[in-house]
Amino acid sequence: GAGVSQSPSNKVTEKGKDVELRCDPISGHTALYWYRQSLGQGLEFLIYFQGNSAPDKSGLPSDRFSAERTGGSVSTLTIQRTQQEDSAVYLCASSLRTGEQYFGPGTRLTVT
Amino acid sequence: GNSVTQMEGPVTLSEEAFLTINCTYTATGYPSLFWYVQYPGEGLQLLLKATKADDKGSNKGFEATYRKETTSFHLEKGSVQVSDSAVYFCALIGGGSNYKLTFGKGTLLTVNP
Repeated sequence: GAGVSQSPSNKVTEKGKDVELRCDPISGHTALYWYRQSLGQGLEFLIYFQGNSAPDKSGLPSDRFSAERTGGSVSTLTIQRTQQEDSAVYLCASSLRTGEQYFGPGTRLTVT
Repeated sequence: GNSVTQMEGPVTLSEEAFLTINCTYTATGYPSLFWYVQYPGEGLQLLLKATKADDKGSNKGFEATYRKETTSFHLEKGSVQVSDSAVYFCALIGGGSNYKLTFGKGTLLTVNP
């Protein structure tokens, strides 16, 4: 079956612009996670969804970051007014409830 | 809070050499421990896991044993191959969360023929 997919695979944007990153989890997976992988900070947890609810947003680095999930499936991570420090690879993962997390290939974001 | 410390790389080995990548952790309670691997150009894949003390996780010739007394989960392989070249991440879930992965910084392994 299909794995976790993310789009776009690469995104280059100018400082100050807004960007949207999309994640399609594995069908039937109720839990969805966003992580960020950057050179300076390594892999960091951003947000966790169970269904359409986000009980844990503790990893979102600032109020410029937001995420939503609709229909218990697709999720969108939005970064407003991007800054250079937002440059990173954004990873999405999904799981059955809180089981093994399956990761997507990531979106590489470059803010110029 | 939770934290994971793993040996810094890069690690360069010849084919058929023995591999150890050290990993220690800090967490309250009884975390579950994981090794993830990221091959060049690919996403993170779960390599192996252990959920309680003295459990041994194993996969593809790799092994790691959950040692609570030393808070460690070292990754080992007896004979590495060129195809094992990748970045390896030690991680845990625990300390009050049953879903949030806390990762080490990763160790780049290069295996030369």
